[in-house]
Amino acid sequence: AQTVTQSQPEMSVQEAETVTLSCTYDTSESDYYLFWYKQPPSRQMILVIRQEAYKQQNATENRFSVNFQKAAKSFSLKISDSQLGDAAMYFCAYTGTYKYIFGTGTRLKVLA
Amino acid sequence: EAGVTQFPSHSVIEKGQTVTLRCDPISGHDNLYWYRRVMGKEIKFLLHFVKESKQDESGMPNNRFLAERTGGTYSTLKVQPAELEDSGVYFCASSPIWTVPTYEQYFGPGTRLTVT
Repeated sequence: AQTVTQSQPEMSVQEAETVTLSCTYDTSESDYYLFWYKQPPSRQMILVIRQEAYKQQNATENRFSVNFQKAAKSFSLKISDSQLGDAAMYFCAYTGTYKYIFGTGTRLKVLA
Repeated sequence: EAGVTQFPSHSVIEKGQTVTLRCDPISGHDNLYWYRRVMGKEIKFLLHFVKESKQDESGMPNNRFLAERTGGTYSTLKVQPAELEDSGVYFCASSPIWTVPTYEQYFGPGTRLTVT
């Protein structure tokens, strides 16, 4: 069975600094998708970034980028130039078909 | 375009009572999913509808949970009778039938269920 592990329950970052959130997963599938979702306080989850497993190039969306290491089954999220609005719960998710397998989440605090 | 909506946002019920959660997906989204997050743990898949048909209900905890999606539009998740361990946040998500798969799901804000 597939699993997703986020080993950092909470992280803090100074405004304008860079932070990396860790995610590892386990699967025997070769074709799958990985996601980072962000859930701000009392708001719904929104997609931050997506990575297709067949793509070697790491995905990037503005200040957000991933370090996808397929052999190591690692999928970390780097947030550059952190902003106060980045404070949220971040969930790493895996899917091979339709249903998502989530990690336990990392709460990111951004310090002014 | 309206997002996924869920009702109620919070529900507090006593053990043994019945609660019905509602999810309205994004218009035109044939896929609808229910997930649950128990405090401090991962978000777990409950079930997946394609239109009005249950495609995968492997995550449903037990037969106290009943999900329906009449007419392939909104969905309800009924818990009867509720137990203490049913407390958590219930998320609904929807997605279209992709012509080019992206597997992105659009989530609602969740319903926080507290069973006392």
